[in-house]
Amino acid sequence: NAGVTQTPKFRVLKTGQSMTLLCAQDMNHEYMYWYRQDPGMGLRLIHYSVGEGTTAKGEVPDGYNVSRLKKQNFLLGLESAAPSQTSVYFCASSPSTGVHYEQYFGPGTRLTVT
Amino acid sequence: EDKVVQSPLSLVVHEGDTVTLNCSYEVTNFRSLLWYKQEKKAPTFLFMLTSSGIEKKSGRLSSILDKKELFSILNITATQTGDSAVYLCAVKTGANSKLTFGKGITLSVRP
Repeated sequence: NAGVTQTPKFRVLKTGQSMTLLCAQDMNHEYMYWYRQDPGMGLRLIHYSVGEGTTAKGEVPDGYNVSRLKKQNFLLGLESAAPSQTSVYFCASSPSTGVHYEQYFGPGTRLTVT
Repeated sequence: EDKVVQSPLSLVVHEGDTVTLNCSYEVTNFRSLLWYKQEKKAPTFLFMLTSSGIEKKSGRLSSILDKKELFSILNITATQTGDSAVYLCAVKTGANSKLTFGKGITLSVRP
């Protein structure tokens, strides 16, 4: 079991470029989440998905799009990167929304936009 | 707007000390409170608390929730250098179990 994996681990983009971050989980989890973590800000939810083919906005969705075409994958896209999107991005998954289930996190992607 | 506040934001202790990390919250539709430990990479799960007054314990770490006063504490006894990390508190809310995180507490344990 690899758990939650993220690709790539590091990336440097120029302002205006686009890219897609891939999150994959092999635990058959229904729910998946994308967070960003900035110094002094904690983790903030960008978008999430409650199942294949469904997505919803989180706390800071502007400038990002997501897709969940397969249950095991959750993609985060930046159409036109901005320096404000320099951050560490974490993906997480959870088997259920039940009270007793925690979220499992991937190792993160460090993105720098110059 | 849901809010989770952790304190202190950072602290430095020596090996063997006992530390108490605080987490207070103001949220709607509370479901549970979670503690994570983050050492450079992915947050790893420590505890989930749903009921007041019931202590969760794992080795030298323990945590308790007070749903009346809306806070939780994480205690670490006999600290070791391996306890150095950022400790994140998160509250699960709503039907979709979204997590709202605090800013984290950076703990440094000196030899």
